[in-house]
Amino acid sequence: SQKIEQNSEALNIQEGKTATLTCNYTNYSPAYLQWYRQDPGRGPVFLLLIRENEKEKRKERLKVTFDTTLKQSLFHITASQPADSATYLCALISYNTDKLIFGTGTRLQVFP
Amino acid sequence: DTGVSQNPRHKITKRGQNVTFRCDPISEHNRLYWYRQTLGQGPEFLTYFQNEAQLEKSRLLSDRFSAERPKGSFSTLEIQRTEQGDSAMYLCASSHTSLRGSEYNEQFFGPGTRLTVL
Repeated sequence: SQKIEQNSEALNIQEGKTATLTCNYTNYSPAYLQWYRQDPGRGPVFLLLIRENEKEKRKERLKVTFDTTLKQSLFHITASQPADSATYLCALISYNTDKLIFGTGTRLQVFP
Repeated sequence: DTGVSQNPRHKITKRGQNVTFRCDPISEHNRLYWYRQTLGQGPEFLTYFQNEAQLEKSRLLSDRFSAERPKGSFSTLEIQRTEQGDSAMYLCASSHTSLRGSEYNEQFFGPGTRLTVL
């Protein structure tokens, strides 16, 4: 069956360090993979999109990698700050559809 | 504020009652999506519209659920005969389809409507 897995345990890191979050999927052939941020009681906010033929994408302190052989994406936040504390969701989009398929999310906590 | 808006933000109802939620997308966005999110889970796709046409529905959308977008602008999601399992956050999102049609466009989410069924 189709599955998108993110580490369900919270990730706790110290301010200034690099946070790395993992998204693994099975039985999908996504055209795009995206990362969203979600704060408590709010809707998800789009961060980055990477296409199936791209290996890496960067935006300011954020970096996403996409390995379609391993069926895995890594999401990095460098020089992390307490304001980066939130839940981060990965989502896939397949061809011929516009619906997002989300993982369960990983909660990141950055301590001063 | 030109973002996606949803009303009400919170709804508490008794089992068996009908509820209706409204979503106002970003103006000129031609696609509108509904998702449902339960605690500790990611959002689950329910349905989406291009203008007034409903293009896809999830199997999660039972016969008790109906969504409309009559004029291709705002949308409503109605749940009839609510059950306790319907308790969740209902999220709406909108996007603008690329003129080329082949490029994905970012979905902008609203704040959600939290439904509690007692």
